Amino acid sequence: LAKTTQPISMDSYEGQEVNITCSHNNIATNDYITWYQQFPSQGPRFIIQGYKTKVTNEVASLFIPADRKSSTLSLPRVSLSDTAVYYCLVGISGSARQLTFGSGTQLTVLP
Amino acid sequence: EAGVVQSPRYKIIEKKQPVAFWCNPISGHNTLYWYLQNLGQGPELLIRYENEEAVDDSQLPKDRFSAERLKGVDSTLKIQPAELGDSAVYLCASSHRTGDKNIQYFGAGTRLSVL
Repeated sequence: LAKTTQPISMDSYEGQEVNITCSHNNIATNDYITWYQQFPSQGPRFIIQGYKTKVTNEVASLFIPADRKSSTLSLPRVSLSDTAVYYCLVGISGSARQLTFGSGTQLTVLP
Repeated sequence: EAGVVQSPRYKIIEKKQPVAFWCNPISGHNTLYWYLQNLGQGPELLIRYENEEAVDDSQLPKDRFSAERLKGVDSTLKIQPAELGDSAVYLCASSHRTGDKNIQYFGAGTRLSVL
């Protein structure tokens, strides 16, 4: 299965912009890149999805370079409530890779 | 719109006892997933349904785990008999396939403790 690599943990302070990078060297032509957020005692929650260049929604931006071998989730002006685990997944609908979560990145936002 | 509903939220049983988890997916979602999540790790897929059909159950320990999805809606995951190592959070998710995007929506999970 294609493997994604993320930092295990990151710390930030309230009000800062946080960038979490995911490496996916084996990404296939048709694969999408999807990020999920998980709080303790909850299931993962969809944040953002993209295929190339830049995608922005009300909570985050996703930057994907031309070679698509990595992606960066950008969280603007984080707050304490953004403390969570963030997962990067790649794949297309129905593929096993799209359903492989890995260990994620624990983001801790400090006051 | 109601989200994915799972019950119970917590379950404590003794080893060798049976246990069942129930999941009600989002209305209209044809794909349903069961995941297992151990502490400090990401979710691991156990089984995936497309409507009533289990299309990927390669990670399901079939000697003790079973699942069903009657009429392509609700689903039940069963463990019989439970072992100490089965203590984990069991997550259910559903999705409605839109091209290749397939965004999953998760329930809150059932935390199982086997004593």
